Amino acid sequence: GENVEQHPSTLSVQEGDSAVIKCTYSDSASNYFPWYKQELGKRPQLIIDIRSNVGEKKDQRIAVTLNKTAKHFSLHITETQPEDSAVYFCAARGSGGYQKVTFGTGTKLQVIP
Amino acid sequence: NAGVTQTPKFQVLKTGQSMTLQCAQDMNHNSMYWYRQDPGMGLRLIYYSASEGTTDKGEVPNGYNVSRLNKREFSLRLESAAPSQTSVYFCASSEVRGTGELFFGEGSRLTVL
Repeated sequence: GENVEQHPSTLSVQEGDSAVIKCTYSDSASNYFPWYKQELGKRPQLIIDIRSNVGEKKDQRIAVTLNKTAKHFSLHITETQPEDSAVYFCAARGSGGYQKVTFGTGTKLQVIP
Repeated sequence: NAGVTQTPKFQVLKTGQSMTLQCAQDMNHNSMYWYRQDPGMGLRLIYYSASEGTTDKGEVPNGYNVSRLNKREFSLRLESAAPSQTSVYFCASSEVRGTGELFFGEGSRLTVL
């Protein structure tokens, strides 16, 4: 089955700096890569996703890049703000009809004001 | 729209007791899932139901059973609770042929003594 590894497990940045979270996946058939944000005590919510036919996607201060050859993808947050503090999960889903979503172990991001 | 609703939100059990976590969604989604979240381990899939009438095992199914009661409802049962099942449980739903986004419930915090 799919295996998703995520690094780092914790990340502290100064407000205004950039944050990068990296993930690798094992199944070359995976074709959908979402990122979820989970604030303390809340449910995970989708913040951005990318499909395997796209190399990069941006949405305001967040962007995701995908390298299919190396089987890794990354989340980039620019101009970080205190409200970006949360746990971020990467995930991967296989192709061909219904496939399960496999999550990484999460990155706790702390933005220091 | 309530989205995905889980009950109960908190539960304390003694080892060997049984209980059922209830989940309902009002988004007319075909697929529903049960995940457990443990510190440092991300979200791990227990069981999923790709469509009404079908269920299948995820990564960590041992000690659990599920029932897809109808399109809206997907329940998770612990027949004989063990301390290792202390966790936060999330129900989620998605539309298989849609964006792929998972919509999570608020979570159920279960403690087994």
